[in-house]
Amino acid sequence: KAGVTQTPRYLIKTRGQQVTLSCSPISGHRSVSWYQQTPGQGLQFLFEYFSETQRNKGNFPGRFSGRQFSNSRSEMNVSTLELGDSALYLCASAIAGGGLAKNIQYFGAGTRLSVL
Amino acid sequence: GIQVEQSPPDLILQEGANSTLRCNFSDSVNNLQWFHQNPWGQLINLFYIPSGTKQNGRLSATTVATERYSLLYISSSQTTDSGVYFCAASGSARQLTFGSGTQLTVLP
Repeated sequence: KAGVTQTPRYLIKTRGQQVTLSCSPISGHRSVSWYQQTPGQGLQFLFEYFSETQRNKGNFPGRFSGRQFSNSRSEMNVSTLELGDSALYLCASAIAGGGLAKNIQYFGAGTRLSVL
Repeated sequence: GIQVEQSPPDLILQEGANSTLRCNFSDSVNNLQWFHQNPWGQLINLFYIPSGTKQNGRLSATTVATERYSLLYISSSQTTDSGVYFCAASGSARQLTFGSGTQLTVLP
């Protein structure tokens, strides 16, 4: 079974631009979560989508948004990029639903975004 | 929300040595996972262990939920064990709160 797939792996953008990152979860997984990793703040939760609905949101500005499609694939968008948005963006998927073990998170390889 | 603290922040070992990494969490958890972050950034699942003890080869983990801590044991360390180890936990929500990690360096 294929793992979590994130595209692209690397991105270079300039301040003020916008960017869209993509995440394909493991087949059968219905929950997709996004995390940001920076040297200063560590790993921080951005948001979670389940059945095309945002279930939880972390403490990030409205420039960060996301969506989930009917096939569970998810995209996140960052508008009006700032230098501080340079980070590794990680996507995780989980089966979700009943049973605690169904919340085990499996991570993709990440998208490394550099904002110049 | 849940707070997660890891110790030590850095650990340097000689190949063949054993090590123990600790994770303290502030509240009851439904999910606790240990990860190894590889040099390319991917988080590799090591254990899902909200309670109890598990073993996988040279690695084992124990979570004492009533005392709110988890331990990751690495025996007979190899240079390929080097990297950052993260503990992450969640309560009723699915979102994981990560600790700040332990940077492990295994010297040949």
